[in-house]
Amino acid sequence: QQQVKQSPQSLIVQKGGISIINCAYENTAFDYFPWYQQFPGKGPALLIAIRPDVSEKKEGRFTISFNKSAKQFSLHIMDSQPGDSATYFCAAWGDDNYGQNFVFGPGTRLSVLP
Amino acid sequence: DTAVSQTPKYLVTQMGNDKSIKCEQNLGHDTMYWYKQDSKKFLKIMFSYNNKELIINETVPNRFSPKSPDKAHLNLHINSLELGDSAVYFCASSPRNRDPQYFGPGTRLTVL
Repeated sequence: QQQVKQSPQSLIVQKGGISIINCAYENTAFDYFPWYQQFPGKGPALLIAIRPDVSEKKEGRFTISFNKSAKQFSLHIMDSQPGDSATYFCAAWGDDNYGQNFVFGPGTRLSVLP
Repeated sequence: DTAVSQTPKYLVTQMGNDKSIKCEQNLGHDTMYWYKQDSKKFLKIMFSYNNKELIINETVPNRFSPKSPDKAHLNLHINSLELGDSAVYFCASSPRNRDPQYFGPGTRLTVL
């Protein structure tokens, strides 16, 4: 059972375009939503994160949009560059009946064409 | 001066063997984690330790056991290795529980 759903599975964008990756969750106990970037052969690296008390957070070319009522959040990469080509994971933290819970989405492989 | 380091980077072993993966962080963080990434790139948290206390223990086989000799180290011991254990294992750390995590470079385990 996937607690965090992520789409698309793969994404191809032209240089300079906007990359959009969407995630959805079910568990209303989740209260911290980070995005990670992973290059081949490397560990995931934190890109940007948001808490549900804000609807948007921007850091450079990366923006998270958060819709608490819809239980959805998305990552927007503006002016996408070939160096952004990587796998992106959304994730969610929270407390549930079983204690603390931290889950990753299945990942999106982004390719930015030069 | 790597922040989170793991050894070895690659580990190839036979079924039934016992192996360990070491992890060290020099960031002064209180919490450390182990993750498994399968062949489809799916990441799953296995364990986390906060001040030497286990605070998350996902439904992993008890063949896997984390051991933390001190706050800077969290080693992963695996007994009776199985083919399905083949994956990349990542160690991570964070200042406190649920803070942003810093990942190590990973250990690719191959069980033959």
